[in-house]
Formats: sequence, C-alpha cells, structure tokens
Amino acid sequence: KAGVTQTPRYLIKTRGQQVTLSCSPISGHRSVSWYQQTPGQGLQFLFEYFSETQRNKGNFPGRFSGRQFSNSRSEMNVSTLELGDSALYLCASSLLAGGRTGELFFGEGSRLTVL
Amino acid sequence: SQQGEEDPQALSIQEGENATMNCSYKTSINNLQWYRQNSGRGLVHLILIRSNEREKHSGRLRVTLDTSKKSSSLLITASRAADTASYFCATDGGNNDMRFGAGTRLTVKP
Repeated sequence: KAGVTQTPRYLIKTRGQQVTLSCSPISGHRSVSWYQQTPGQGLQFLFEYFSETQRNKGNFPGRFSGRQFSNSRSEMNVSTLELGDSALYLCASSLLAGGRTGELFFGEGSRLTVL
Repeated sequence: SQQGEEDPQALSIQEGENATMNCSYKTSINNLQWYRQNSGRGLVHLILIRSNEREKHSGRLRVTLDTSKKSSSLLITASRAADTASYFCATDGGNNDMRFGAGTRLTVKP
C-alpha cells in the first residue's frame, strides 16, 4: 500500500508569491490534516479535511487555505508569502476523521523557503 | 496552539541506556499518541494509549498515562544509535484534531 505522498518536496519562492502544495493520502483514507513545522513554533495544526469538508482550522491567517477533492487528495495554498512562512509543511492522513480514530500517517513533507 | 509539552527539550545518552521523555497536556483527551521524527522527515507513529489505559508496551517502548496529572511518559529501553530522533506526544484537543508538543530531541551516542 503506497504511503502519503506530498509534492513538491522542496520549493523556493519569493515574498508576495503564492504556493500550492499537494497531498495524496493513503488509499481508503478520507481524512487529511495539514501541519506547519518550524524550529521556533514546532508543529502547528493548520486544518483538517474529511470527505471534501473542512472540519477544523488552526489559528492561521486567511492567507492559508486548503481543499480536498472527491478522491481525498488535498491541496493547501498560501498566498502573499511572507518570510515567516518558510517551514516544513506536513500532511497526514487517517482512515476516519480526527484524533479519535488512531494514528496519523505522515508524508515526508514539503519544505518551503521564502526569500 | 500546542496541546502537549514535552520534557526535556533535549536528551543525550549512551547506547544501551534507557531514555525517558515526559509529556504534559492541558485538556481532557480521548487518547495520547507518541510519534518519532528523523531530521527533516515525516513523523512516524509509535504508540497510542487510550484515556482509560494506564500503561502500554510495544517492543522496547513503554508508555504510561496519568490522566489525573494530565501527563504521559515514553520510556525507550536499551537505546540504540538508530533511536536518535525527535519524539513528539500528540493529543486530540477536543476538537477532533491532533495537537503536538514541541518535542524532545534524543541523541544516542554509540
């Protein structure tokens, strides 16, 4: 069974640009969560999608958005990039929604550098 | 916002020694999970303990949970150099999302 796939793995953008990151969950998993990881703030929850609906959202500005498609693949978008958006963006999938269901399966992440 | 806080932030031990990491959290939980992350990679699930459990074992891992103190500990016995990684606790914060602590950076010296 293929794991969680995130693309691209690495990318460099400049301030003011926008970026779209993609996540393909494990086959059969309907929940996709996104996290931002930085040295200073640790792992911060961005949002979770289940069956194409956003179920939860973390404390991030509206520049951060996401969506989920009918095949459970998810994308997140960051507009008007700032230097502080440089981070490792991690996607995790699970069979059902939320932490009650058990483990999250993480992708290798997309490392974004904003210059 | 983060739900869990790991302690210590960093831990350095010799191969063969035991490593203990602690996690404290703030709100009531359904379960608590521990994850491992090798540098710059994704997280890997280690073990899950439910709120009605007090202790759980998996190989060289032992996890305890004290819901009255809102704390958990992860013990790695007979550590190996390959155990060098960051370890995170994660809890469901009541909103059906998993919140992670800042992690403990474990270094096991050969």
